Amino acid sequence: EADIYQTPRYLVIGTGKKITLECSQTMGHDKMYWYQQDPGMELHLIHYSYGVNSTEKGDLSSESTVSRIRTEHFPLTLESARPSHTSQYLCASSETNEQFFGPGTRLTVL
Amino acid sequence: QKEVEQDPGPLSVPEGAIVSLNCTYSNSAFQYFMWYRQYSRKGPELLMYTYSSGNKEDGRFTAQVDKSSKYISLFIRDSQPSDSATYLCAPVNQAGTALIFGKGTTLSVSS
Repeated sequence: EADIYQTPRYLVIGTGKKITLECSQTMGHDKMYWYQQDPGMELHLIHYSYGVNSTEKGDLSSESTVSRIRTEHFPLTLESARPSHTSQYLCASSETNEQFFGPGTRLTVL
Repeated sequence: QKEVEQDPGPLSVPEGAIVSLNCTYSNSAFQYFMWYRQYSRKGPELLMYTYSSGNKEDGRFTAQVDKSSKYISLFIRDSQPSDSATYLCAPVNQAGTALIFGKGTTLSVSS
């Protein structure tokens, strides 16, 4: 079944740790995105990619980095997590304007 | 002025009611408009999208765009408790590279 997956769903981690949030899609979409969403607030685009070896920063400045080595995989990395990184991170993919979202990773940095 | 504005609610209605969810935007160049539904602690789910002005119907849902007033609406007929969620409107930006999300309107349908 074509879908988009994110792991882990929940992560609680201490300050200073390096973390990688995984995102995979089986729909064959070229475009992939990472959004950050705080409770009651808008989704903000932090990274996007139009294909393999293509990555761009979004509208919201983020200390995270991304890579796109395979079409189906778009991981997000935080080298040194801080409490200000506590948020929900949503991955999406698209072929046209319609974006399809994964279930999200809720990150808490203590 | 924010690019996309939505009344956050919460909006509480009884089962079977007709619901109107609204959104305004500031950039007249926007052409595509998406509506997403987001349940608590889940990712947004695409409900429907429209291009330019006019109406689009899908089952109990109707999306309406009025470009002259930069106003977007989503109507839900015969609302059900399972419709209880946050509804996000999201125009596609002018470059066509990203969606611009409103904060969303939280809807609660009671049985």
